[in-house]
Amino acid sequence: KQEVTQIPAALSVPEGENLVLNCSFTDSAIYNLQWFRQDPGKGLTSLLLIQSSQREQTSGRLNASLDKSSGRSTLYIAASQPGDSATYLCAVIGTGRRALTFGSGTRLQVQP
Amino acid sequence: AAGVIQSPRHLIKEKRETATLKCYPIPRHDTVYWYQQGPGQDPQFLISFYEKMQSDKGSIPDRFSAQQFSDYHSELNMSSLELGDSALYFCAIREGTEAFFGQGTRLTVV
Repeated sequence: KQEVTQIPAALSVPEGENLVLNCSFTDSAIYNLQWFRQDPGKGLTSLLLIQSSQREQTSGRLNASLDKSSGRSTLYIAASQPGDSATYLCAVIGTGRRALTFGSGTRLQVQP
Repeated sequence: AAGVIQSPRHLIKEKRETATLKCYPIPRHDTVYWYQQGPGQDPQFLISFYEKMQSDKGSIPDRFSAQQFSDYHSELNMSSLELGDSALYFCAIREGTEAFFGQGTRLTVV
């Protein structure tokens, strides 16, 4: 059974810092990995999708990497802003029509 | 772009009542997934449908049932509601390799 772990569980940084969120998964037979952002009480916004054949994806100040063999992904946020404060969830998708398996999330707070 | 509309957005029910949550994939989509996210928890997979047939089952209680209709919308029916059922319920689709989630229905059981 796939298990996804995210470290740290919570992170508080001053504005402007670069930061790294970590995601690890136990079964490397994944189809892809997706990073989401969730504001309190709100829905899930897709940030980046990395397919199993890719090693990284970039969108603006966000960069996500994937090392399938070691079961790890990182989300790098450059020059953090208070508006980045949210919970960040990684999720992996197995092959076929399998559902996503989520990590427990990293709750990020960027202090102005 | 693909998306999901969920209704209602908010729902308050009393214990032992019944609730029905609805999910409308846009455009019509053959596969839908239901998730439950309790307070401070990550989303937990409940059930999925492919071409109106149940395709996978997660941690869905026996009190819950779901189905996908001929127009591909899906409904999650929840009976004998308990306080612990209070959560955010998401419906999702996969478009190619990417998953898209609705905004969720917040169910509060009092």
